[in-house]
Amino acid sequence: AQKITQTQPGMFVQEKEAVTLDCTYDTSDQSYGLFWYKQPSSGEMIFLIYQGSYDEQNATEGRYSLNFQKARKSANLVISASQLGDSAMYFCAMSWWSDTDKLIFGTGTRLQVFP
Amino acid sequence: GAGVSQSPRYKVAKRGQDVALRCDPISGHVSLFWYQQALGQGPEFLTYFQNEAQLDKSGLPSDRFFAERPEGSVSTLKIQRTQQEDSAVYLCASSLGGQGAYNSPLHFGNGTRLTVT
Repeated sequence: AQKITQTQPGMFVQEKEAVTLDCTYDTSDQSYGLFWYKQPSSGEMIFLIYQGSYDEQNATEGRYSLNFQKARKSANLVISASQLGDSAMYFCAMSWWSDTDKLIFGTGTRLQVFP
Repeated sequence: GAGVSQSPRYKVAKRGQDVALRCDPISGHVSLFWYQQALGQGPEFLTYFQNEAQLDKSGLPSDRFFAERPEGSVSTLKIQRTQQEDSAVYLCASSLGGQGAYNSPLHFGNGTRLTVT
């Protein structure tokens, strides 16, 4: 069965510093996708970044990059130059080819950025 | 608007009442999903539509939960005889293609927070 694990319930980072949010996954599918979403206190889930299982290069989107280590089944999110507005819940999620209906989520990490 | 719209934003129901939650996806989006998010947890899958067809309802927790998308656009999630354990945020999401959630970012609404008293 597929599973997403986020082991950091909360993280603190100072403004302008970089922070890494951990995510590990488990699947027997060879074809899968990994996503990161941000959920501010307003409740909306905001898509940040995507990595396909066959992508050889790590995905990057502005200040967000995904450190994809396939053999270790990890997909950590790196946020560079943190901003106060980055304070939110962050969820790692996965989809897979053999059941395309579903996107499963981890339990999330609450990131707090302080001045 | 350009995003996924959900209404109402908040709903308080007495135990035993029926509720209906509405989702207006992004225009033209083929795939529509409902998720349930309990406090402090990640969202959990409830059901998936491709246009008007409900292709997967494996996540619906009981037969009190019913979802429809009759014309392939707006969707309604109905909960009959609400129970306290139904209290959660209900999130709707849509995506452009018909390949479900596979490698296609979902666009989420702000959710409906349901409180059953």
